Amino acid sequence: SAVISQKPSRDICQRGTSLTIQCQVDSQVTMMFWYRQQPGQSLTLIATANQGSEATYESGFVIDKFPISRPNLTFSTLTVSNMSPEDSSIYLCSVGQGIMNTEAFFGQGTRLTVV
Amino acid sequence: QQQVKQSPQSLIVQKGGISIINCAYENTAFDYFPWYQQFPGKGPALLIAIRPDVSEKKEGRFTISFNKSAKQFSLHIMDSQPGDSATYFCAATGLSGAGSYQLTFGKGTKLSVIP
Repeated sequence: SAVISQKPSRDICQRGTSLTIQCQVDSQVTMMFWYRQQPGQSLTLIATANQGSEATYESGFVIDKFPISRPNLTFSTLTVSNMSPEDSSIYLCSVGQGIMNTEAFFGQGTRLTVV
Repeated sequence: QQQVKQSPQSLIVQKGGISIINCAYENTAFDYFPWYQQFPGKGPALLIAIRPDVSEKKEGRFTISFNKSAKQFSLHIMDSQPGDSATYFCAATGLSGAGSYQLTFGKGTKLSVIP
């Protein structure tokens, strides 16, 4: 199984600012995923990040708001830009392993509060 | 459109009892059905999973039952323990429009096992 480290684990940010979340994996993986989980809610996929190509964003999420970098096979960042209180949420990094990426592993998440 | 419907939203079970969580899906292209367990402050962790060519899978106290014709699957936790208290998510995976395999999550069930 993959071990995923996310930083920071939590942060409180002022509205209008940006926060970059880092995700480090202990093995090389092709696909990395970023999710948002609002308190007490399910997980919503923000985007899929493959190394060497542009991230693919899901409906309702745009690159200007959530730019993603994927410089190598073990690392990715998600930036939450121009934050508003509605961005307060838990952001989770995930990697897929196994046939058809059917085994998903998650980081512990970044709890973001925007004030 | 919610593609994976999960119920109940919350569940209280006495220690030693059976916890049952149900899910239904709509997309017949889904071909892998995992369950995730999430403790507060942690990312989801893969618990058990099943493919649609199998009607039941058991791992220890955890059993998945799968009904392909009804497009339903359920998680049974036998001899439920207080340590099982967590939020459980069913999920389904299949090929997305972007050409990658993505997870679609249910809304989650908060299980509380009382002594």
